[in-house]
Amino acid sequence: EAGVVQSPRYKIIEKKQPVAFWCNPISGHNTLYWYLQNLGQGPELLIRYENEEAVDDSQLPKDRFSAERLKGVDSTLKIQPAELGDSAVYLCASSLGSRDGSYEQYFGPGTRLTVT
Amino acid sequence: DAKTTQPPSMDCAEGRAANLPCNHSTISGNEYVYWYRQIHSQGPQYIIHGLKNNETNEMASLIITEDRKSSTLILPHATLRDTAVYYCIVNHGNKLVFGAGTILRVKS
Repeated sequence: EAGVVQSPRYKIIEKKQPVAFWCNPISGHNTLYWYLQNLGQGPELLIRYENEEAVDDSQLPKDRFSAERLKGVDSTLKIQPAELGDSAVYLCASSLGSRDGSYEQYFGPGTRLTVT
Repeated sequence: DAKTTQPPSMDCAEGRAANLPCNHSTISGNEYVYWYRQIHSQGPQYIIHGLKNNETNEMASLIITEDRKSSTLILPHATLRDTAVYYCIVNHGNKLVFGAGTILRVKS
């Protein structure tokens, strides 16, 4: 079974340019997550989707970040315009629904963004 | 969500058991204990989770104390490929809050 797929793996852009990351979750996983991971720190949740609905985007900087999950499968995370401080690894994860309140999240390899 | 406390780093000899501790003294009755690990330049990898009982799978064992205020992740025969950052997380629901984790170094 294929895991969570992300592309690109690496991206270098100049500040003020736009950038987009793509994620394909594990087949059948209705919940999709985007995380941000700064160097030396643990991942931080940006947004969570249940199917095509964004149910938790409280940590998403909405002035420059946007996300979509059309048809409840693939998802795209966009930054426009990028700033130097956006340099980080952007991780996508997915999970199945749960009956007992426990969830196993499966992560992709991440996209390493460098803003110069 | 409850906070967890983990040692910043640990060393383990290859082939020996690695025992990674985690304190979660404010855990609520319905919160699970999760363990993830992150090998360099990869995304986090789910290892195991539990509520009250000890759990074992092909990767590791999870021992939760009776009062649920602490737990230990056991890698029975550590290999060099187990070198990673190990995160202990407690929550109910699907919002994971990662701390700094424990850097486990397996040495030959």
